[in-house]
Amino acid sequence: AQTVTQSQPEMSVQEAETVTLSCTYDTSENNYYLFWYKQPPSRQMILVIRQEAYKQQNATENRFSVNFQKAAKSFSLKISDSQLGDTAMYFCAFMKPEAGGFKTIFGAGTRLFVKA
Amino acid sequence: EAGVAQSPRYKIIEKRQSVAFWCNPISGHATLYWYQQILGQGPKLLIQFQNNGVVDDSQLPKDRFSAERLKGVDSTLKIQPAKLEDSAVYLCASSLRGLAGGKLSYEQYFGPGTRLTVT
Repeated sequence: AQTVTQSQPEMSVQEAETVTLSCTYDTSENNYYLFWYKQPPSRQMILVIRQEAYKQQNATENRFSVNFQKAAKSFSLKISDSQLGDTAMYFCAFMKPEAGGFKTIFGAGTRLFVKA
Repeated sequence: EAGVAQSPRYKIIEKRQSVAFWCNPISGHATLYWYQQILGQGPKLLIQFQNNGVVDDSQLPKDRFSAERLKGVDSTLKIQPAKLEDSAVYLCASSLRGLAGGKLSYEQYFGPGTRLTVT
């Protein structure tokens, strides 16, 4: 069975600095997708960045980038130039095709505080 | 483009009562998901629909939870009877599962959730 582990329950970073959130997963599949989602306090979950497992190039979206290490089954998120609005829960998610649909597994989340 | 809509936003019920949640996905999204998110945890998938058919309900407690998606659009999730451990946020998400702007799109778009408190 697939598992997703986020080993950092909480992190904090000073505004304008860089922070990296860790995620590891366990799977025997070769075709899958990885995502980072952001859930601000009392607000809905939004997609931050996605990575297809077949792509070697790491995904980037403005200040957000990932370090995808397929062999190590690691998918970390780097936030550059942190802003106060980045304060949120961040969830790593693994998704694979299964039985006509997609199976999605979320990690337990990392709570990130950006300090002024 | 309107996002995923959910109602109600908050619900407080006593144990053994019934409750229903409603979700309206993004127009054109064939796939709809219901998740349960207990405080301090990541979302756990309860059920996934592809159009109006169920593709995965392996983690749905079928003795008390039921869900339907009539006509492949709106969906309702029902709990009957509720237990204390059902207190959670119930999230609905939808995905296109197809081409969007020339790219394959599988990412899920989430609604604001319904916070259920069972007393």
